[in-house]
Amino acid sequence: EAGVTQSPTHLIKTRGQQATLRCSPISGHTSVYWYQQALGLGLQFLLWYDEGEERNRGNFPPRFSGRQFPNYSSELNVNALELEDSALYLCASSLGLAGEPGTGELFFGEGSRLTVL
Amino acid sequence: QKEVEQNSGPLSVPEGAIASLNCTYSDRGSQSFFWYRQYSGKSPELIMFIYSNGDKEDGRFTAQLNKASQYVSLLIRDSQPSDSATYLCAAGADNFNKFYFGSGTKLNVKP
Repeated sequence: EAGVTQSPTHLIKTRGQQATLRCSPISGHTSVYWYQQALGLGLQFLLWYDEGEERNRGNFPPRFSGRQFPNYSSELNVNALELEDSALYLCASSLGLAGEPGTGELFFGEGSRLTVL
Repeated sequence: QKEVEQNSGPLSVPEGAIASLNCTYSDRGSQSFFWYRQYSGKSPELIMFIYSNGDKEDGRFTAQLNKASQYVSLLIRDSQPSDSATYLCAAGADNFNKFYFGSGTKLNVKP
């Protein structure tokens, strides 16, 4: 069974441009989470989608947005890129709600490394 | 106060020793706790989860949970150089709308 898949693996953009990152969850998982991990830092929660709806959002500006499609795949859009947006962007999926005992384990994809020049 | 706190390390142990990794959490309503291993430049990999007070063993790994003290730990027995990684502790929020991740503890296992 395929795990969480993300594309592209690497992306290089310049300041002011837009980046789009994509994620396909594990089959049967309806929740998708996005995290940002800057070099040497911890995971920062960005967004949570479930059943096509945005359920929760971390402390990030509105230029970070996304959506979830009917097939539960998701994309993350980052507009007006800034140098500090350079990071590994991780997508994770879960069968149930985040942390719900029995179904709430998060499984991560390999990530998309975004470099902003 | 961060929701999940971990000592950043690095924690250095010799090969074959027991590595003990600890974390504390602040949300008393958290019901589930997780340990992830992250190799440099890679994504986090789930290695253990625990929901009830006490110990849970899986191979060389033992997770320990003490809800009264809001304390979670991970023991790695017979540590191997391949265990060298950053270990992330995570807790589910009480309303299941997010995970709280600690900043991770870097473990070095010396041959």
